[in-house]
Amino acid sequence: GNSVTQMEGPVTLSEEAFLTINCTYTATGYPSLFWYVQYPGEGLQLLLKATKADDKGSNKGFEATYRKETTSFHLEKGSVQVSDSAVYFCALSDQSNFGNEKLTFGTGTRLTIIP
Amino acid sequence: DTAVSQTPKYLVTQMGNDKSIKCEQNLGHDTMYWYKQDSKKFLKIMFSYNNKELIINETVPNRFSPKSPDKAHLNLHINSLELGDSAVYFCASSQAGRLKQFFGPGTRLTVL
Repeated sequence: GNSVTQMEGPVTLSEEAFLTINCTYTATGYPSLFWYVQYPGEGLQLLLKATKADDKGSNKGFEATYRKETTSFHLEKGSVQVSDSAVYFCALSDQSNFGNEKLTFGTGTRLTIIP
Repeated sequence: DTAVSQTPKYLVTQMGNDKSIKCEQNLGHDTMYWYKQDSKKFLKIMFSYNNKELIINETVPNRFSPKSPDKAHLNLHINSLELGDSAVYFCASSQAGRLKQFFGPGTRLTVL
């Protein structure tokens, strides 16, 4: 079955530090990969996605590249801000089942940025 | 203009009670989902419906019964609530074949 393994948290960084949150996956088909973000007290929001190997998803200064050879989708940001403090979820969706695009999530990584 | 809304936002109840959580989406999507987020923030799919038909049922106890009266609504009814049901429940919607899911704000259920 499909699974997602992501870096255990919590992660605490100073403002303007470089961020990497590791994510690796196991899938039987050709999954799409996602990063979702959950700000305190809110639901999840899609941060970025990539649908095929070597695709790079990017949004709000965050980037992640779909690496099929290492089955990874690591999230990076060059200079984090206090407002980036949230829980980040790596997820995959198996595209082989139309109308059945359930998301399989990693365990989430709590990120705290201190001024 | 909330895209995916859930009610109630908080629900505190006693063990053994029956409760419902409602979800509505105004995005015109044909697929809706329920996810459960436990105390450690782990998120897991429970159900999905496509055009009011049950598509995914991920080994959820039959005390949980989703109902989709139309494509815009997916409600979750829980019978005989147990302590382990305490969690945040998220509703989501998407258009089949499109990858992006839109999540509601969550319902925090506490069973005492």
